[in-house]
Amino acid sequence: GQNIDQPTEMTATEGAIVQINCTYQTSGFNGLFWYQQHAGEAPTFLSYNVLDGLEEKGRFSSFLSRSKGYSYLLLKELQMKDSASYLCAVGDSNYQLIWGAGTKLIIKP
Amino acid sequence: IAGITQAPTSQILAAGRRMTLRCTQDMRHNAMYWYRQDLGLGLRLIHYSNTAGTTGKGEVPDGYSVSRANTDDFPLTLASAVPSQTSVYFCASSNMESSYNEQFFGPGTRLTVL
Repeated sequence: GQNIDQPTEMTATEGAIVQINCTYQTSGFNGLFWYQQHAGEAPTFLSYNVLDGLEEKGRFSSFLSRSKGYSYLLLKELQMKDSASYLCAVGDSNYQLIWGAGTKLIIKP
Repeated sequence: IAGITQAPTSQILAAGRRMTLRCTQDMRHNAMYWYRQDLGLGLRLIHYSNTAGTTGKGEVPDGYSVSRANTDDFPLTLASAVPSQTSVYFCASSNMESSYNEQFFGPGTRLTVL
């Protein structure tokens, strides 16, 4: 079967660094996506990895290891506005996205 | 308009009623999708369309139907609503020719079936 696992909830302090992990088992692999979703809003695209390694985009970085079926999203210099859910999604063999349930990130001052 | 719009924003519906959720995009994306999002679960694909005139079933298609008469519009119909269809519904679109095939989401429709 197809499965995406990520922690349900994490808490971090403003100004700190947090790493959100995602493990996956899917039929085929056509890239891994991270999306951000604020409460009551639509998901918005954060990052995309298709090759192993680290992709950096400002305060956010995303890492992929295809052999381990593993990715993480790293958020640096946390701000209160980073409080949101972070969704991991994998493109399967049909180029459809399989979604994790999301990780709710709570930032404390 | 810019991006994807959905209507209505929210709706309370009696069980057994028919309901159509509307979705329109102006990005000329070839692919469009309908998801439902329930607490504790990931986004689940209901139906999709890779190009105008074609549709396909996703993970949870039962009780829903779609049509794709043109590039811009992708309505989702609940023929006879049931309480288990209470959810937040998101429409999305993507350009399948792009390197990312990143999906762009509409603001969602919050549907309650009583």
